[in-house]
Amino acid sequence: DSGVTQTPKHLITATGQRVTLRCSPRSGDLSVYWYQQSLDQGLQFLIQYYNGEERAKGNILERFSAQQFPDLHSELNLSSLELGDSALYFCASSVATGGYYNEQFFGPGTRLTVL
Amino acid sequence: DQQVKQNSPSLSVQEGRISILNCDYTNSMFDYFLWYKKYPAEGPTFLISISSIKDKNEDGRFTVFLNKSAKHLSLHIVPSQPGDSAVYFCAASLSYAYGNKLVFGAGTILRVKS
Repeated sequence: DSGVTQTPKHLITATGQRVTLRCSPRSGDLSVYWYQQSLDQGLQFLIQYYNGEERAKGNILERFSAQQFPDLHSELNLSSLELGDSALYFCASSVATGGYYNEQFFGPGTRLTVL
Repeated sequence: DQQVKQNSPSLSVQEGRISILNCDYTNSMFDYFLWYKKYPAEGPTFLISISSIKDKNEDGRFTVFLNKSAKHLSLHIVPSQPGDSAVYFCAASLSYAYGNKLVFGAGTILRVKS
């Protein structure tokens, strides 16, 4: 158990809908990262937040947005869903305070299925 | 643009023998390289890392080698055990002024046969 929690574990929805994925980081970690893993692909970095501020951005679609709240949990919002958005979405956390590497601890993921 | 590549989708090894997983990268700005292990229905678990200024790091049965000139790293598992059967992801760290991200390869499925 990494200490990172993600809810829900599974989500099934229809095209055009909007969903929210939630992540609680390990106790003491201020940075949260979101990754997407599509079928047979590696994990693709979406976005990093540190203490409520966006710090790094990957190839995140404009239909996707994220935020980190004062209690440090984070939410990833996916809207106007398409079939291709079906994937595993992982959240990770680390103690990282700036632009350097710190070990990232991953949650169990949320499996999103768009029908 | 695949900056981190794992060219072997799968590897099968006999218990007790050495497992060697390989990874190639293209970006010279990566500052750390990592290996993660993943079981089905779980998130990736950190295994071992190496700084870009080192060429070897060892932790128990796991050793990572970095060849900067060839932009290649490898993970050696000796001896391999059935419990090592999992998907192994190579990842590289890219640091910015205020942030950091990991770039992952597509993964290699390791099967250790008893």
